Amino acid sequence: AQKITQTQPGMFVQEKEAVTLDCTYDTSDQSYGLFWYKQPSSGEMIFLIYQGSYDEQNATEGRYSLNFQKARKSANLVISASQLGDSAMYFCAMRKGYGGATNKLIFGTGTLLAVQP
Amino acid sequence: GAVVSQHPSRVICKSGTSVKIECRSLDFQATTMFWYRQFPKQSLMLMATSNEGSKATYEQGVEKDKFLINHASLTLSTLTVTSAHPEDSSFYICSAPLTGYGTNEKLFFGSGTQLSVL
Repeated sequence: AQKITQTQPGMFVQEKEAVTLDCTYDTSDQSYGLFWYKQPSSGEMIFLIYQGSYDEQNATEGRYSLNFQKARKSANLVISASQLGDSAMYFCAMRKGYGGATNKLIFGTGTLLAVQP
Repeated sequence: GAVVSQHPSRVICKSGTSVKIECRSLDFQATTMFWYRQFPKQSLMLMATSNEGSKATYEQGVEKDKFLINHASLTLSTLTVTSAHPEDSSFYICSAPLTGYGTNEKLFFGSGTQLSVL
């Protein structure tokens, strides 16, 4: 069975510093996708970054990068130059394969990030 | 970018009434949509997969007669919480995959609906 583990319930980071949010996953599938979403207090789920299991390079989206270590089954999110607006809940998620019902995501328990001025 | 609209954002209802939540993909078509439920300070739990033109697929433990799902068109899925009770109070959020070349079939989420049953 697929499983996503986020071991950090909460983290503090100073404004302008970088922070790494941990995510490990468990799957026996060869084809899968890994996602990070941000959920501010308003509740919406904001897509941040995606990494496919066959992608050889780590994904980057602006200040977000995903440190993908396939052999270790980890997909840590790195946020560079933290901003006050980055304070939110962050969820790591995994999708099994592509297409149709396999697009459903399994979520980790989340990490609450607080950026301090 | 892709937008998923969810309505209403907040609803308060009396116990025993039914509540309908709509999820629309505004600028793309979605043959599949997903409905999640989130309790306070917890993660999102998948409730069901909504399929255009066919019956929804429910996750284990989710009552299909309680949570009615209708995928009426390629851009609209609805979740109806029937005979709602206080224990149904939760945050409900839908998602739809953006398909096509180069999209990696990313899932985009609606803004969620906070249901409070009194």
